[in-house]
Amino acid sequence: DGGITQSPKYLFRKEGQNVTLSCEQNLNHDAMYWYRQDPGQGLRLIYYSQIVNDFQKGDIAEGYSVSREKKESFPLTVTSAQKNPTAFYLCASSNDRAEQYFGPGTRLTVT
Amino acid sequence: AQSVSQHNHHVILSEAASLELGCNYSYGGTVNLFWYVQYPGQHLQLLLKYFSGDPLVKGIKGFEAEFIKSKFSFNLRKPSVQWSDTAEYFCAVNAQDRAGTALIFGKGTTLSVSS
Repeated sequence: DGGITQSPKYLFRKEGQNVTLSCEQNLNHDAMYWYRQDPGQGLRLIYYSQIVNDFQKGDIAEGYSVSREKKESFPLTVTSAQKNPTAFYLCASSNDRAEQYFGPGTRLTVT
Repeated sequence: AQSVSQHNHHVILSEAASLELGCNYSYGGTVNLFWYVQYPGQHLQLLLKYFSGDPLVKGIKGFEAEFIKSKFSFNLRKPSVQWSDTAEYFCAVNAQDRAGTALIFGKGTTLSVSS
């Protein structure tokens, strides 16, 4: 079954800790994306990667980091520098610049 | 910079009512346009898309959207909504001439349908 998996579904962390969110796809897509969803804000782009070993900052990259060592994997690290990390995080992939496919999301709560 | 505006934050309808959700974008070049839907507890999924050609596009579950280039609009319509259409709807755009550009999303419209 082709798709995007994100784990875990819910994640809880203490303030000051870094946390890494997993995103894996078996769609053989070149491009992958991370978005953050907050109520009333829509989806905002954090980082994206068009190809292995390359990635670009999105609109709200501060306090986040990513890596793209394999085509199928695009993990996102939420660092302690992110001032308001509690949110719903969505990973997506696409095989061209158009239609994107989304994972189920990870809800991160930092207290 | 590109942006997307969805005019309705929350729409409440009765079953069988007609639906139109507004979406306007700002970008001077050629764009790809999308409507995504997020049902409660489910993945974000594609409703319909416009790349080129016929400006009236049909999607899943009886939804359609019309691209009006002169108005920079891509409004979503459904002639008769059902209770199961209760969800959050997002309009999104990316630019055809900017390789690798991610989608720009509107802030979303919550649709509540009462039976």
